[in-house]
Amino acid sequence: NAGVTQTPKFRVLKTGQSMTLLCAQDMNHEYMYWYRQDPGMGLRLIHYSVGEGTTAKGEVPDGYNVSRLKKQNFLLGLESAAPSQTSVYFCASTTRRDSTDTQYFGPGTRLTVL
Amino acid sequence: GDSVTQMEGPVTLSEEAFLTINCTYTATGYPSLFWYVQYPGEGLQLLLKATKADDKGSNKGFEATYRKETTSFHLEKGSVQVSDSAVYFCALLYSGYSTLTFGKGTMLLVSP
Repeated sequence: NAGVTQTPKFRVLKTGQSMTLLCAQDMNHEYMYWYRQDPGMGLRLIHYSVGEGTTAKGEVPDGYNVSRLKKQNFLLGLESAAPSQTSVYFCASTTRRDSTDTQYFGPGTRLTVL
Repeated sequence: GDSVTQMEGPVTLSEEAFLTINCTYTATGYPSLFWYVQYPGEGLQLLLKATKADDKGSNKGFEATYRKETTSFHLEKGSVQVSDSAVYFCALLYSGYSTLTFGKGTMLLVSP
């Protein structure tokens, strides 16, 4: 049981390049989330999904797109990276089946945009 | 809107000292409250939670009590260890909603 995994762990992009971050969970969770973490800002929600095929905007969605084609995967895309998107990105998942409301986090992806 | 305010860090303590990290919230209803911890280089993990007023969450020697009258959920530990050095996040969640609201985090540094 790997929990929540994220690929890649580190990435350096040039301004204008695109990339996709992959999040995978093996806990059969319905809900999945993408956050970014910046110094002094805490965690900010980018997008989330409450089920396969559904996505919703969070607090800071601009410049990002997401897809949830399979229940276990949640993809975060940057179409044209900007230096302001330099951050650490965390994926999380949870279920409502056990009423604990606990979110399980991946180890993070450190992205640098030059 | 809803918000969570935490004391700014870093909080620096010597081993075996008493820890308090303050957390207050603004909410229109009665959310569940959480403390998450992030160890260096890792993702967040749940430390403890409380779902209603006067509930006390506890785990690994840490405690926090849900105080509705003061809208607070302060984190305490009687004797910290070097291994407790981490960033601590307070968060709230309404039942039936999908998203957590996080505070900005408080870094704790414990020296031997």
